[in-house]
Amino acid sequence: KQEVTQIPAALSVPEGENLVLNCSFTDSAIYNLQWFRQDPGKGLTSLLLIQSSQREQTSGRLNASLDKSSGRSTLYIAASQPGDSATYLCAAHMNRDDKIIFGKGTRLHILP
Amino acid sequence: KAGVTQTPRYLIKTRGQQVTLSCSPISGHRSVSWYQQTPGQGLQFLFEYFSETQRNKGNFPGRFSGRQFSNSRSEMNVSTLELGDSALYLCASSLGAGGSREQYFGPGTRLTVT
Repeated sequence: KQEVTQIPAALSVPEGENLVLNCSFTDSAIYNLQWFRQDPGKGLTSLLLIQSSQREQTSGRLNASLDKSSGRSTLYIAASQPGDSATYLCAAHMNRDDKIIFGKGTRLHILP
Repeated sequence: KAGVTQTPRYLIKTRGQQVTLSCSPISGHRSVSWYQQTPGQGLQFLFEYFSETQRNKGNFPGRFSGRQFSNSRSEMNVSTLELGDSALYLCASSLGAGGSREQYFGPGTRLTVT
């Protein structure tokens, strides 16, 4: 069964710190890995999409990496700010059945 | 360019009723996917439509159905509502279907079944 796991489920860090969110997937046959942000009660905002042939993508203070062989992706947030507080979800787009499988997210709280 | 829109944003229904949710994709996008999000199960894929045809389906009972119109707008229907159907229903649009594609999500419809 294809699974996407995000650890930890919740994380609190002081403002200004750099942090890493983890995402692992059981099936390495993926088209891409996408990171999203979700604010409470809202939809998902796409942050970064890494194609299976890429190793990383960057946008501002965010950097996402992909290691298909180990089934892992990380989202690095530099110089965290209170506005970064949200739930971060990763989603793996599987080759096998063309479905997109989501992790359950990491709830991030940046302490002012 | 307008984003993905979903209507209504909030809905309260009674067990046994049916409900229809609507999703308008980003202009030019032809693929619409639907997801159910609950605290316990997270985001789960319901189905995907492309060019008015269902091209993929998740593991949900037949009470959940959908369709897509020629203008790419999509509706999903849930019949004989159960308490467990209370969830945030999200739709996402993408330019095409098949292969790697980026999804753009709407704000969701919050369905509460009492």
